[in-house]
Amino acid sequence: RKEVEQDPGPFNVPEGATVAFNCTYSNSASQSFFWYRQDCRKEPKLLMSVYSSGNEDGRFTAQLNRASQYISLLIRDSKLSDSATYLCAVFKAAGNKLTFGGGTRVLVKP
Amino acid sequence: GAVVSQHPSWVICKSGTSVKIECRSLDFQATTMFWYRQFPKQSLMLMATSNEGSKATYEQGVEKDKFLINHASLTLSTLTVTSAHPEDSSFYICSARKDSTGNTIYFGEGSWLTVV
Repeated sequence: RKEVEQDPGPFNVPEGATVAFNCTYSNSASQSFFWYRQDCRKEPKLLMSVYSSGNEDGRFTAQLNRASQYISLLIRDSKLSDSATYLCAVFKAAGNKLTFGGGTRVLVKP
Repeated sequence: GAVVSQHPSWVICKSGTSVKIECRSLDFQATTMFWYRQFPKQSLMLMATSNEGSKATYEQGVEKDKFLINHASLTLSTLTVTSAHPEDSSFYICSARKDSTGNTIYFGEGSWLTVV
């Protein structure tokens, strides 16, 4: 089993709609969680950190469920510019490494 | 935010030659830098963790003699792909950790390597 798993998609989303997707992780010792956005042939850019209490940044909401070992990302009022691959990442201080999921591709269409 | 610069952005080399990729943290000191490789339509795979002044820690399956990592200063890490072959063609990305929390990991722009 992969350490961090995501549904690869693609999620085809009408402009203005809401889309949500999850990321599961296998190591309960994982400490920090992140969502990154990666555009085609570019480096990942940090979208947001994920906190236990859940957090929101504009149209983006991230949640962490430690009991079930998953994080989620919800995008409201989708824009065409939201089309990208969304990578979740899990950090373990003990191993000092940031491990990525395979990414979820989102395509927002007019 | 912090800036990590990677160079070169694109490189084409002949099979059997070596290629060096540089990763610099421009406005902070990075005690730890990470090197990733990403094949088309796949995720980022961690190759190694580079610690300033010590040997890199390689992930399982990554040949340390083929992918030489040097972290000579707090702002510079280099990855050298030795005796490159076409199957080494990939997107190589470095990242630098700004502090101990893990919350501040910044990525370089990535380097596209094509071995012909």
